Amino acid sequence: SQTIHQWPATLVQPVGSPLSLECTVEGTSNPNLYWYRQAAGRGLQLLFYSVGIGQISSEVPQNLSASRPQDRQFILSSKKLLLSDSGFYLCAWSSGLNQPQHFGDGTRLSIL
Amino acid sequence: DQQVKQNSPSLSVQEGRISILNCDYTNSMFDYFLWYKKYPAEGPTFLISISSIKDKNEDGRFTVFLNKSAKHLSLHIVPSQPGDSAVYFCAASAMGGSYIPTFGRGTSLIVHP
Repeated sequence: SQTIHQWPATLVQPVGSPLSLECTVEGTSNPNLYWYRQAAGRGLQLLFYSVGIGQISSEVPQNLSASRPQDRQFILSSKKLLLSDSGFYLCAWSSGLNQPQHFGDGTRLSIL
Repeated sequence: DQQVKQNSPSLSVQEGRISILNCDYTNSMFDYFLWYKKYPAEGPTFLISISSIKDKNEDGRFTVFLNKSAKHLSLHIVPSQPGDSAVYFCAASAMGGSYIPTFGRGTSLIVHP
């Protein structure tokens, strides 16, 4: 069966520090991968998605970037975190673009 | 501009009764709709979906109804159970948008024993 792992579960970082969140999927090949952010009281905002290795589509201009160095690995990064980057970050995968997404358990990121 | 709206932030229901969660959308190009359930500190879990060629899809206690003319869909849970207490997200997607779903802000359902 397919599983998705996302870490760390919680992270507290100072303003201006770098960020690296990692997500890996097991049990499937060539998945579509997604990064979402859920700010307090808001819905899920799509940040990036990828349909293949090295292919990244960005949905909103922001302080973040994403990379897909391997088929089942998706990384969310920032060189310098802002206070507004605080939130709940979710990684997800799907077997196709018109298929339900399966989410990881998320990372709660707090910027101080 | 919110294309998918869940206007009720919360809903409280007695155990055994029906829970009805509503969702409205504005983009007439949406042709695939999904419901997700989310517990605190966990990622959302896919619950049920419906294509625009249907007006109803049922899976056990969960039924989704789609009214295309009103751009409205609803999720019915019958009978409601305390374990159904969670935040429910409605999502919609369109072929023109590469089928990337747009999510609503969620409705928090509390089922009282």
